[in-house]
Amino acid sequence: SQQGEEDPQALSIQEGENATMNCSYKTSINNLQWYRQNSGRGLVHLILIRSNEREKHSGRLRVTLDTSKKSSSLLITASRAADTASYFCATRLTGTASKLTFGTGTRLQVTL
Amino acid sequence: GAGVSQSPSNKVTEKGKDVELRCDPISGHTALYWYRQSLGQGLEFLIYFQGNSAPDKSGLPSDRFSAERTGGSVSTLTIQRTQQEDSAVYLCASSLDRNSPLHFGNGTRLTVT
Repeated sequence: SQQGEEDPQALSIQEGENATMNCSYKTSINNLQWYRQNSGRGLVHLILIRSNEREKHSGRLRVTLDTSKKSSSLLITASRAADTASYFCATRLTGTASKLTFGTGTRLQVTL
Repeated sequence: GAGVSQSPSNKVTEKGKDVELRCDPISGHTALYWYRQSLGQGLEFLIYFQGNSAPDKSGLPSDRFSAERTGGSVSTLTIQRTQQEDSAVYLCASSLDRNSPLHFGNGTRLTVT
């Protein structure tokens, strides 16, 4: 099934360092989205990048998309302890009324 | 406006019983999703409603699972004859349209004993 696969599965860094998470997918997409989840609660949308875009920024977040490699990366700069969470990519296929499918997630731990 | 509301927040049921999980989406949102998340795992797609189109039920794991969305608003996910493997957090999300970001509820934690 169409699904993003995040890499790494888990990442532990110190506060102030940058965190990079990667997402790979299988077929053509309409857009790719990144979400954050704290402690098993509902997910919160972070950023959406369309298939014709290559890079987007939002505060300390930077997302890139390489449709030729079918991959995306999420960079969190100057990480904080509060960034500790699970991060998921989600892809929406091209075509009408297609569902949004999520990857397996990266668990990020930021320590002081 | 309120966000996506799910009820109950926690549900403990005995194996073999039926359960109903409710989702109140954000008013005006045309798309509604149900996902399931087991402990420490990713999100498993269950069902997707988009406007008046026929729902995408391709993720429902068995015929014990069904969902309705009445009047384009509230949705109910029903699990009949629950099994222990149904234990998970069931997440509902809505979006303004099919290309917009999702807004998630806090989920219903279902435990089948």
